[in-house]
Amino acid sequence: EADIYQTPRYLVIGTGKKITLECSQTMGHDKMYWYQQDPGMELHLIHYSYGVNSTEKGDLSSESTVSRIRTEHFPLTLESARPSHTSQYLCASSPISHTEAFFGQGTRLTVV
Amino acid sequence: AQTVTQSQPEMSVQEAETVTLSCTYDTSESDYYLFWYKQPPSRQMILVIRQEAYKQQNATENRFSVNFQKAAKSFSLKISDSQLGDAAMYFCAYRLEGSGYALNFGKGTSLLVTP
Repeated sequence: EADIYQTPRYLVIGTGKKITLECSQTMGHDKMYWYQQDPGMELHLIHYSYGVNSTEKGDLSSESTVSRIRTEHFPLTLESARPSHTSQYLCASSPISHTEAFFGQGTRLTVV
Repeated sequence: AQTVTQSQPEMSVQEAETVTLSCTYDTSESDYYLFWYKQPPSRQMILVIRQEAYKQQNATENRFSVNFQKAAKSFSLKISDSQLGDAAMYFCAYRLEGSGYALNFGKGTSLLVTP
């Protein structure tokens, strides 16, 4: 089992609130990713990082932001949550070589 | 742009039978990696099997095997002796050279296993 953790697992929050989804990995992986999974289960890359102080936007435009101050930590922040942000968010990491990515258990976010 | 296509939104198999999930992809690269991931309901995405394009031999992991056809850009997953625990969404994925080597996923195939 991969050592990558996401908290919280489930979150229901009101419109306009600021939220941070946490993601941590203990494997020392340089690369980390955030995916948004829509109700049809399709996965879209929204952010990625090559390492400390590196953050890039993914293929799907997102109003969220990320930071990478430490190798093991890659939090995602929504400054003002909206119902359109309701989704499942998956965090993943991988070592520098061309191997698979390891996923966290996901955060299911509902904005009411 | 690299794309991954899974043409079967849903598949069904009886316990102990064999099922094949299809995946095609588009790329101009000659060396790359392909993956099948499994996502059980409300559970973690886990790797099922990995194939390196330069290896001609099809990858196998216990009851799971792939049929990798590089020229046809096809990468199907065969599950033998299906078990109830195999019920899940299955995603085919290609590792992108750009985007931090992120995985580019197909839309998934929902596998139902019936007793």
